Amino acid sequence: AQSVTQPDIHITVSEGASLELRCNYSYGATPYLFWYVQSPGQGLQLLLKYFSGDTLVQGIKGFEAEFKRSQSSFNLRKPSVHWSDAAEYFCAVVPGYSSASKIIFGSGTRLSIRP
Amino acid sequence: DGGITQSPKYLFRKEGQNVTLSCEQNLNHDAMYWYRQDPGQGLRLIYYSQIVNDFQKGDIAEGYSVSREKKESFPLTVTSAQKNPTAFYLCASSKSRTGELFFGEGSRLTVL
Repeated sequence: AQSVTQPDIHITVSEGASLELRCNYSYGATPYLFWYVQSPGQGLQLLLKYFSGDTLVQGIKGFEAEFKRSQSSFNLRKPSVHWSDAAEYFCAVVPGYSSASKIIFGSGTRLSIRP
Repeated sequence: DGGITQSPKYLFRKEGQNVTLSCEQNLNHDAMYWYRQDPGQGLRLIYYSQIVNDFQKGDIAEGYSVSREKKESFPLTVTSAQKNPTAFYLCASSKSRTGELFFGEGSRLTVL
């Protein structure tokens, strides 16, 4: 079965430090890949997406992610985090050529920022 | 500005009561979705609709019902048959088939 794994439930980093959130997926072909962010009590907002082409994608708020086909990974990175980045981050996958109804979300990684 | 509006934001219900959550969008998107979110879990799909007057069950449709009479509106009813309805409910829409979803701010339902 297709799945999305975010191995880190909770991560704490210091303000100004770099960040990497991990995401691995299980799917035979190249899927569409997404990262969403959710502030407490709010809906989700799209950070970035990968459909095809350049495997390093830039998103909003200074985030980027790199698709590595050989590792079935789509890790999210930010060179220097800000206190406002504290939130929950969800990786999501849509099997290629499927509709959004087939999207699979990871269980999320909660990011805390240490002052 | 275009977006998705969910109401109410907080809702309390007694056991045995049905409750309807509202979702309205002015993005002119064809597809709309309802998700349930529980602590420590990802989002689970309840129902989705890709066109007016048509909708499909998602992974956890039991105890829920929907309607899609207008393109802009996709209300969700949580019925008394839903065994554990306390959760955060998210409505979303999409304009394409690719999984780029636009979310409302959610409705938190608590059963007393």
